Amino acid sequence: DVVMTQTPVSLSLAIGQPASISCKSSQSLVHSDGKTYLSWILQRPGQSPKRLIYLVSKLDSGVPDRFSGSGSETEFTLKISRVEAEDLGVYYCWQATHFPLTFGSGTKLEIK
Amino acid sequence: QVQLQQSGAELAKPGSSVKISCKASGYTFTSYYISWIKQTTGQGLEYIGYINTGSGGTNYNEKFKGKATLTVDKSSSTAFMQLSSLTPDDSAVYYCARGLLPHYWGQGVMVTVSS
Repeated sequence: DVVMTQTPVSLSLAIGQPASISCKSSQSLVHSDGKTYLSWILQRPGQSPKRLIYLVSKLDSGVPDRFSGSGSETEFTLKISRVEAEDLGVYYCWQATHFPLTFGSGTKLEIK
Repeated sequence: QVQLQQSGAELAKPGSSVKISCKASGYTFTSYYISWIKQTTGQGLEYIGYINTGSGGTNYNEKFKGKATLTVDKSSSTAFMQLSSLTPDDSAVYYCARGLLPHYWGQGVMVTVSS
């Protein structure tokens, strides 16, 4: 299975600060169809996960544009330009290029 | 709006089975696969597999073959997952989600296996 490695494990940031989360895969996530099936989800405390980004950089409907995704092949990044209180929770990257889908171990974002 | 409403928490004994449901609304049920995901504190998020809601075809993560059985009832827009031969390691929150690239997620079902 593809191993997804996320760093850092946790972040503690003040409102308005930028955030950056790294996700590395153990093999290329470029599918034979040319697409890269890398997504990011946010799980707020006590809630089910919510998808934020798919295909590396496409924002889901309703996701604020302070979120952005980038990367290629095996290295990917989620950035938040200015953290807001509602952004706290655990962020996971996951890949769907190779079956089975696999998830990173998560990055916990705390608000100072 | 798209909703996936899952059944309630389960407390089961080792060796028994449970069947949890995932009722979809707000979209055409057979237009999207349903994926199932397991979440534990120790192992994080694990992908169990998916079901083609139109044909009933399934694809399982090798790790969950023999453990999970996915079915669907198109008439009620409901997907089901049966977990068999339960052990304490099956204690987890189980989510259904819409699609092969899970977008909308259910609220999760906590399954506790204990004697």
